[in-house]
Amino acid sequence: NAGVTQTPKFQVLKTGQSMTLQCAQDMNHEYMSWYRQDPGMGLRLIHYSVGAGITDQGEVPNGYNVSRSTTEDFPLRLLSAAPSQTSVYFCASSYGSSAGYEQYFGPGTRLTVT
Amino acid sequence: AQKITQTQPGMFVQEKEAVTLDCTYDTSDQSYGLFWYKQPSSGEMIFLIYQGSYDEQNATEGRYSLNFQKARKSANLVISASQLGDSAMYFCAMREAPYSGGGADGLTFGKGTHLIIQP
Repeated sequence: NAGVTQTPKFQVLKTGQSMTLQCAQDMNHEYMSWYRQDPGMGLRLIHYSVGAGITDQGEVPNGYNVSRSTTEDFPLRLLSAAPSQTSVYFCASSYGSSAGYEQYFGPGTRLTVT
Repeated sequence: AQKITQTQPGMFVQEKEAVTLDCTYDTSDQSYGLFWYKQPSSGEMIFLIYQGSYDEQNATEGRYSLNFQKARKSANLVISASQLGDSAMYFCAMREAPYSGGGADGLTFGKGTHLIIQP
């Protein structure tokens, strides 16, 4: 099992550009999510999905879109990048939505917007 | 109000000593989970230990134990016999029951404690 994979590992964008951060998991997990981590902060939830075709907003969803067409993949789209979106992005998955399910994290994508 | 509070931004500890990292949480849910993650300088998030709100025993995983005091809403991480490799950021996180009170379904993290183990 590869677990949770994310591509790319690093990315530099100019303000106004768009891009998609890729996330895939091979554990057949129903739940997937995206977090961002800023300096001196814990991770904050951007969007999440409880199954294919179902997505919902987290704490900081503005400027990001998601879709979930398959169980395995959960891409995060930046529509028009802004310097405030400079951050490290983590994708995570868990077996389900219960409070007891551990979330498995990908290695992260470090994004810089200039 | 913050849902997860970690009051120790940084800690220095001598190798082989025990370490306690503090975490308090705020929720009105009866069902929730508490998690600790380790983030070394390489950046990945490593799951350490989990405590369910209905668990009566404190969770243990090797050198890690969770001191769960439900009435005080605290979930402190205890690392016994610290090692140089324990130097990292440590995050406490909570997952509440899905869609409770209209909230999102995901982990809420504290700001972390930067632990440095000195030889």
